Amino acid sequence: AQTVTQSQPEMSVQEAETVTLSCTYDTSESDYYLFWYKQPPSRQMILVIRQEAYKQQNATENRFSVNFQKAAKSFSLKISDSQLGDAAMYFCAYRSAIMNYGGSQGNLIFGKGTKLSVKP
Amino acid sequence: DGGITQSPKYLFRKEGQNVTLSCEQNLNHDAMYWYRQDPGQGLRLIYYSQIVNDFQKGDIAEGYSVSREKKESFPLTVTSAQKNPTAFYLCASSILGQGAQWVMNEQFFGPGTRLTVL
Repeated sequence: AQTVTQSQPEMSVQEAETVTLSCTYDTSESDYYLFWYKQPPSRQMILVIRQEAYKQQNATENRFSVNFQKAAKSFSLKISDSQLGDAAMYFCAYRSAIMNYGGSQGNLIFGKGTKLSVKP
Repeated sequence: DGGITQSPKYLFRKEGQNVTLSCEQNLNHDAMYWYRQDPGQGLRLIYYSQIVNDFQKGDIAEGYSVSREKKESFPLTVTSAQKNPTAFYLCASSILGQGAQWVMNEQFFGPGTRLTVL
């Protein structure tokens, strides 16, 4: 079974600075997708960025980028020029690319989350 | 606007009661999911459905039941058999894959329902 681990329960960053959130995962699959979701105090889950495992190029979305290391099974999120609105819980998630592989039905497997605080 | 709605936003249950959480989507998605969120636990899968009139248990299905009579709707019932139902419940949907593969499309989430046992 696949697992996702976020080793930093809480992180803090100064406004306008850069912060990196860590995520590691365990899988025997070669094809899968990885996601970072943001959950602000409203508790609405919002997709931040996604990565296909067979693409070596790291995904980037404006101030958000990932460092995807497939061999190390690592998928960290870098937030540049942090803003007050970035304060939230951040969840790393895994999704199998193959239907029915090991029972996968397209559901996401989540880490326990990292709470990010942004200091003004 | 397309999206997922959940109701109610807050729900209170007395001991021994069954309660039903609503989830509706107008995204024309085939796959729908229910997750439970507890502090420090991330999100855990309760039930999922890929097609009308079919659904499967997730990792923590005990004490819960679902139905999928319409493509747009996937209600979750928290039964009295669920011993610790106080949690935040999230419904999600996504398109199905193509052939034998899931596509990278994200799951869209509803705003959630906070259930509290009195």
